[in-house]
Amino acid sequence: LAKTTQPISMDSYEGQEVNITCSHNNIATNDYITWYQQFPSQGPRFIIQGYKTKVTNEVASLFIPADRKSSTLSLPRVSLSDTAVYYCLEDMRFGAGTRLTVKP
Amino acid sequence: DAGVTQSPTHLIKTRGQQVTLRCSPKSGHDTVSWYQQALGQGPQFIFQYYEEEERQRGNFPDRFSGHQFPNYSSELNVNALLLGDSALYLCASSLVGNPGNTIYFGEGSWLTVV
Repeated sequence: LAKTTQPISMDSYEGQEVNITCSHNNIATNDYITWYQQFPSQGPRFIIQGYKTKVTNEVASLFIPADRKSSTLSLPRVSLSDTAVYYCLEDMRFGAGTRLTVKP
Repeated sequence: DAGVTQSPTHLIKTRGQQVTLRCSPKSGHDTVSWYQQALGQGPQFIFQYYEEEERQRGNFPDRFSGHQFPNYSSELNVNALLLGDSALYLCASSLVGNPGNTIYFGEGSWLTVV
């Protein structure tokens, strides 16, 4: 059973910032939080990973509060090509995924 | 630098048959994990292999078994196939000791059971 909870779907427009939140109510002390992007008929692609506070790379930021009960993936200035399903991962288990649709 | 490779990409089997899927991990990785992803669902963890032994297992029956070879490649075997086994089977690799144990996925093997 998935340990994480995330919204089923989100809509956005090109150029906007998108924030997707995942809850981690029972996260273990040594577990990292990882986010993946998946397009239809492809394997999940690694986006970003963190343990606590804020992590930023060339495509996204990840915010994890001190209690680590949640994580927020932030995608700056999304484009149509960011339309995909986004998953948070904890201890080898995926959430149900958030289907992001970016509109022109 | 080769990523995770899986074979075959697509296959069709009949109920009751057995199937073997293969995976080569990303260069430098020593751990292989397998996932099942049904249509419209998130990937479900099957098991993980490290040092040729099963280290963790998800909620899957014994019909699902695996193997890891000395070169770190892996096989997933499913016996007595059911229609419900139709799914995308994903292999992921990682390196033990790497902080966060980040896993990287292949493109998957599509299995259709008829």
